[in-house]
Amino acid sequence: GESVGLHLPTLSVQEGDNSIINCAYSNSASDYFIWYKQESGKGPQFIIDIRSNMDKRQGQRVTVLLNKTVKHLSLQIAATQPGDSAVYFCAETLQGGKLIFGQGTELSVKP
Amino acid sequence: EAGVAQSPRYKIIEKRQSVAFWCNPISGHATLYWYQQILGQGPKLLIQFQNNGVVDDSQLPKDRFSAERLKGVDSTLKIQPAKLEDSAVYLCASSQGDRRNTGELFFGEGSRLTVL
Repeated sequence: GESVGLHLPTLSVQEGDNSIINCAYSNSASDYFIWYKQESGKGPQFIIDIRSNMDKRQGQRVTVLLNKTVKHLSLQIAATQPGDSAVYFCAETLQGGKLIFGQGTELSVKP
Repeated sequence: EAGVAQSPRYKIIEKRQSVAFWCNPISGHATLYWYQQILGQGPKLLIQFQNNGVVDDSQLPKDRFSAERLKGVDSTLKIQPAKLEDSAVYLCASSQGDRRNTGELFFGEGSRLTVL
């Protein structure tokens, strides 16, 4: 038989626009969060991380926001480019270091 | 710097057959992980090694899956016998950190398994 995967949430943006990808995490005890980018046929690639004692962290063209009150994480990508098209996963660590990945969001950038 | 190496990239087998995947982590990385990624889902941790010791194998289906990292460097993941639901990409990752500081994980490109 053929396995059927879940349908990923998708976000479609115009090239040059800003993108915001959201993630709800599950455990209020999680103390470290990472965003990964996964292109087709490749493994996840680290983008940016944030610890629970921070609410914002900026990288090159990317910003991660953490709202612990509502257990929400977001990834903002400025001036989105076609090369940003991929599936984006948030991941949380429980105390002890085990990473738990979310479902993922597929970002599509229209030229 | 060489990344995480995995082989084979693709494998097709029939149910009840066995398969093995190999991973060579980044040199010097003490921690090695095997993840299972089913189509459309995020990776799920199967097993985590710290050097050659198992840190977490709570989600490894031990009746059919086994993994080893005998010399604390490369690792193999075996499935015997395979089931249809084992069709997935098996990702290996490594990191410098110890079990309480996950740090940045570096992933290989994965081994895609199809069970018919």
